[in-house]
Amino acid sequence: GEDVEQSLFLSVREGDSSVINCTYTDSSSTYLYWYKQEPGAGLQLLTYIFSNMDMKQDQRLTVLLNKKDKHLSLRIADTQTGDSAIYFCAEGEGGKLIFGQGTELSVKP
Amino acid sequence: GAVVSQHPSRVICKSGTSVKIECRSLDFQATTMFWYRQFPKQSLMLMATSNEGSKATYEQGVEKDKFLINHASLTLSTLTVTSAHPEDSSFYICSAKAGELFFGEGSRLTVL
Repeated sequence: GEDVEQSLFLSVREGDSSVINCTYTDSSSTYLYWYKQEPGAGLQLLTYIFSNMDMKQDQRLTVLLNKKDKHLSLRIADTQTGDSAIYFCAEGEGGKLIFGQGTELSVKP
Repeated sequence: GAVVSQHPSRVICKSGTSVKIECRSLDFQATTMFWYRQFPKQSLMLMATSNEGSKATYEQGVEKDKFLINHASLTLSTLTVTSAHPEDSSFYICSAKAGELFFGEGSRLTVL
């Protein structure tokens, strides 16, 4: 079945860029998503990319999509301590999303 | 933007009791809501799709008699965990679609 894989941890220093990577198996998804989850909270949609796009930029966030390799990445520029959270990539249609395991981003001052 | 709210945010119950979790769409109508489950340090897994006025659709491996879903109105879906056991302890998150998919704050269930 469909699968989404992420590395579990990433640690960066404040002000550096963070790059969170994700691979997926279902090439039929129209959209791919990045969600942020802070401790004990629900999920917040950060950004998404349409499957026929290669890149999408939204302020400090840059999403890169390599459809051939089924690889998705999220780059956070000028990472702040407030960016510390778990980041999930997800694919799917409608409300039925398949999530990766989440990458815990730790930002050190 | 659209808001989805869950209640309670935390609940502790004894083994064998039933617990109801509510999911409300506060400023939009949702004919469909989704229930996810998240174990500690793990990803979210879709449990079921809640359909207003009809039966819920459960994902493979999810016991429909244990996780009762009722979607009686366009703004409310409820998930009842019946005869809860410690292994049902988890973070339950609902979502509803209003253009994009909005998630509730989650409900942490602890079964003693």
